[in-house]
Amino acid sequence: ETGVTQSPTHLIKTRGQQVTLRCSSQSGHNTVSWYQQALGQGPQFIFQYYREEENGRGNFPPRFSGLQFPNYSSELNVNALELDDSALYLCASSGGTSGETQYFGPGTRLLVL
Amino acid sequence: GENVEQHPSTLSVQEGDSAVIKCTYSDSASNYFPWYKQELGKRPQLIIDIRSNVGEKKDQRIAVTLNKTAKHFSLHITETQPEDSAVYFCAANHYGGSQGNLIFGKGTKLSVKP
Repeated sequence: ETGVTQSPTHLIKTRGQQVTLRCSSQSGHNTVSWYQQALGQGPQFIFQYYREEENGRGNFPPRFSGLQFPNYSSELNVNALELDDSALYLCASSGGTSGETQYFGPGTRLLVL
Repeated sequence: GENVEQHPSTLSVQEGDSAVIKCTYSDSASNYFPWYKQELGKRPQLIIDIRSNVGEKKDQRIAVTLNKTAKHFSLHITETQPEDSAVYFCAANHYGGSQGNLIFGKGTKLSVKP
């Protein structure tokens, strides 16, 4: 198993609410990437943080936002939740001695009702 | 932007047989190609990766080949075992570019029958 952790493991929200998901990167890694994985699909890139700065963003609306802290942990915030936001949210850490190799956390399963 | 196509979407083999999963990518600047295995309800787990300066890489029963000219790469699993049953994802990345994101294929569900 990787040293990447995520919280919470599961979350149920209603449409229009806001949610914050958290990720702790593996020791020695300075980069965190967030992905959305819908059921039966491959992970889709949301954005990446490198040393507390956003380093690229996928095709997701501005209501998806994030930040990275000095200890390289990260948060993903989603405002105005929609039913289609129901998915598994994965973070992956990389950098340092691992270079480009991304190691995934266990994910947060979000259900929007 | 990068686009990754993966085939087949499902693959069923007998235990002991070989399995091959193929991916193509569109961005010639991509230089890093990992493969992940995802069991039901679990995180994607890196099983092997290859960089664009290498044509083939092996790790026990798993191998990956890369053809930069044709822009395709393949995962080969030999002597398959029931515990190899999972969904496998290929991905491509232009490491060192402005975005370090992985672009994933849609996955291959591999079933190994005992």
